[in-house]
Amino acid sequence: GAVVSQHPSRVICKSGTSVKIECRSLDFQATTMFWYRQFPKQSLMLMATSNEGSKATYEQGVEKDKFLINHASLTLSTLTVTSAHPEDSSFYICSASPGRVNYGYTFGSGTRLTVV
Amino acid sequence: KNEVEQSPQNLTAQEGEFITINCSYSVGISALHWLQQHPGGGIVSLFMLSSGKKKHGRLIATINIQEKHSSLHITASHPRDSAVYICAVSGWDSNYQLIWGAGTKLIIKP
Repeated sequence: GAVVSQHPSRVICKSGTSVKIECRSLDFQATTMFWYRQFPKQSLMLMATSNEGSKATYEQGVEKDKFLINHASLTLSTLTVTSAHPEDSSFYICSASPGRVNYGYTFGSGTRLTVV
Repeated sequence: KNEVEQSPQNLTAQEGEFITINCSYSVGISALHWLQQHPGGGIVSLFMLSSGKKKHGRLIATINIQEKHSSLHITASHPRDSAVYICAVSGWDSNYQLIWGAGTKLIIKP
C-alpha cells in the first residue's frame, strides 16, 4: 500500500532555531500534501495545503513566513518551522494524496517537536 | 454546528464487546474516511467509503448517503483497539481537503 515517510519522528530544538520536517511518498506521486498540527488532547488542525510546483495555501491564522512549505517534487514536501518558539511545540503530521478524488490519503507517522 | 459530528466522544468497554462509533455529516461529500490515531500520534486510514459497507478483519464500516450517516463497528474488541477513531469527509473542492470530526477516544479494558 501507499506509504509516506516522515522524518524526524522527534526533535528537540532551542528557541530561535529552525527545524525542517520532511515527508516523502515512497510509492506514489503526492500531487497534494496537507500539513497538520495537533496540540495535546485536541483534534488535528490543517495548517496548509500544497500542490506540487505551486505555492502552499495556508489556513487562516497560520503564518506563512514562519511555517515554510516546499513541495518541489511529486514525492517530497518539507515544512520548516523558522525561529521556533516554545509555543510551536506540537505534533506535526503530513498527509499525501495523488490529488484525484477518492484516491485516499496516506499519513506520515508524525513529528513531535519540542522547543526549549 | 460542526459539519462532521461524531458520537460518542469517549467510549470505554470491556474486551470482547461489540463497539459502534457513529458519524453524521451535513455537507456534500465525495467520500467518508475512518481513521485511527494511536496514542503515539500516528494515523492510519482504515476505510474510505462512498456507499454501502466495507469490512476489514474485525472492523466494519457502513455509510448511508441519504441519511448522511456512517458507523464504524469493531467486533470482538481487544485492548489493542484502544485508540482515537476519527471520521472525516472529503468534498469536491480542487484539493479534496478533509473535514474532520472531533474523534472518539476508545478504551478497551482487558
